Amino acid sequence: LAKTTQPISMDSYEGQEVNITCSHNNIATNDYITWYQQFPSQGPRFIIQGYKTKVTNEVASLFIPADRKSSTLSLPRVSLSDTAVYYCLAYQAGTALIFGKGTTLSVSS
Amino acid sequence: DTEVTQTPKHLVMGMTNKKSLKCEQHMGHRAMYWYKQKAKKPPELMFVYSYEKLSINESVPSRFSPECPNSSLLNLHLHALQPEDSALYLCASSLSTRTGGPSGNTIYFGEGSWLTVV
Repeated sequence: LAKTTQPISMDSYEGQEVNITCSHNNIATNDYITWYQQFPSQGPRFIIQGYKTKVTNEVASLFIPADRKSSTLSLPRVSLSDTAVYYCLAYQAGTALIFGKGTTLSVSS
Repeated sequence: DTEVTQTPKHLVMGMTNKKSLKCEQHMGHRAMYWYKQKAKKPPELMFVYSYEKLSINESVPSRFSPECPNSSLLNLHLHALQPEDSALYLCASSLSTRTGGPSGNTIYFGEGSWLTVV
């Protein structure tokens, strides 16, 4: 299983764009990169998933360079309600999600 | 509908009690998971069921006993737990255990069951 490394915490203000970078140097060919968001006392919620290049949905964008050794989750114009823990996971089909420590994002007004 | 329903939301049990946590999904998913999460820690995988058969047991103590009666239901039977077993127990499901493939096999989590062992 690929191990991911991401910052322990990040601070931002409302309206700013937040970029959370995840390192996965040992990513395997069959690994996909997925991001989950978790609020206190709730289950993790799927945000976005990708294999390479750029993926965008209504919530976020995911940038993955050609070497796939890192990825960046971009949250446009964050609000207070985006305060949460964000998990980056790189995994292979046929396995379950194994969570790393995650990044605690704190958004202030 | 991408809902995974867990009951009860809160459970307090003594160390000699026998209780169960329940999880239900009606998305046609054939893979179901139990995770344990302690405060300020990431979720830890406990068990994986694939097509109603246990496929992964992450060396979980036998006082935790999973059961998958059918493709929609997943139970976690609890017996003789210790106070350190107090945690948030999360259930999840996906189309199959072939997560991350081209079909976009997203894993969906329930809101969890808070367990307190006294």
